[in-house]
Amino acid sequence: ETGVTQSPTHLIKTRGQQVTLRCSSQSGHNTVSWYQQALGQGPQFIFQYYREEENGRGNFPPRFSGLQFPNYSSELNVNALELDDSALYLCASSLGQGAIQETQYFGPGTRLLVL
Amino acid sequence: SQQGEEDPQALSIQEGENATMNCSYKTSINNLQWYRQNSGRGLVHLILIRSNEREKHSGRLRVTLDTSKKSSSLLITASRAADTASYFCATEPYSSASKIIFGSGTRLSIRP
Repeated sequence: ETGVTQSPTHLIKTRGQQVTLRCSSQSGHNTVSWYQQALGQGPQFIFQYYREEENGRGNFPPRFSGLQFPNYSSELNVNALELDDSALYLCASSLGQGAIQETQYFGPGTRLLVL
Repeated sequence: SQQGEEDPQALSIQEGENATMNCSYKTSINNLQWYRQNSGRGLVHLILIRSNEREKHSGRLRVTLDTSKKSSSLLITASRAADTASYFCATEPYSSASKIIFGSGTRLSIRP
């Protein structure tokens, strides 16, 4: 167990809907990163938050947005869902300063299916 | 696009044998990490090697890093059935320190 939790574990949505995924970081960690993992692929970096500010972003459109709260828990929001958004969404927490990364601890993921 | 590419994509070996997986990447990095993932679940961090290191050991794991060739290898010695999983390398590019880029993974199967 990494101490990182995600909710919900599974989710089914229809195209065009909006979804919010949640992540609770490991105690003491101030950095959270979100990844999208399609079936059979490696995780793709969506964005990272450090002390409530976005600290880096991958090649994802603006309909993917996030928040980090003062207790360092985090949300991933996806608007106008598309079929290709179906994937496992992983969050990872770490103790960082936005510079060289330390070890990331991953949650179990949320499996999203868009119909 | 993926920064790291693992080789082979799939590997099946007999229990007790050693397993070697390779990772190549494209740009200069701060560090490289290896992760394990069991059947579509969360990733488990195995080992981190920094750009100024050449080799690290952790239990039955041995990781090497050759920055001149932009490549890394993960060796698992005396494999066990529980080692069956997908293994990913992940790099932190020097130019984008907040971004961790994963390869597409090696699916390792250990035959009893």
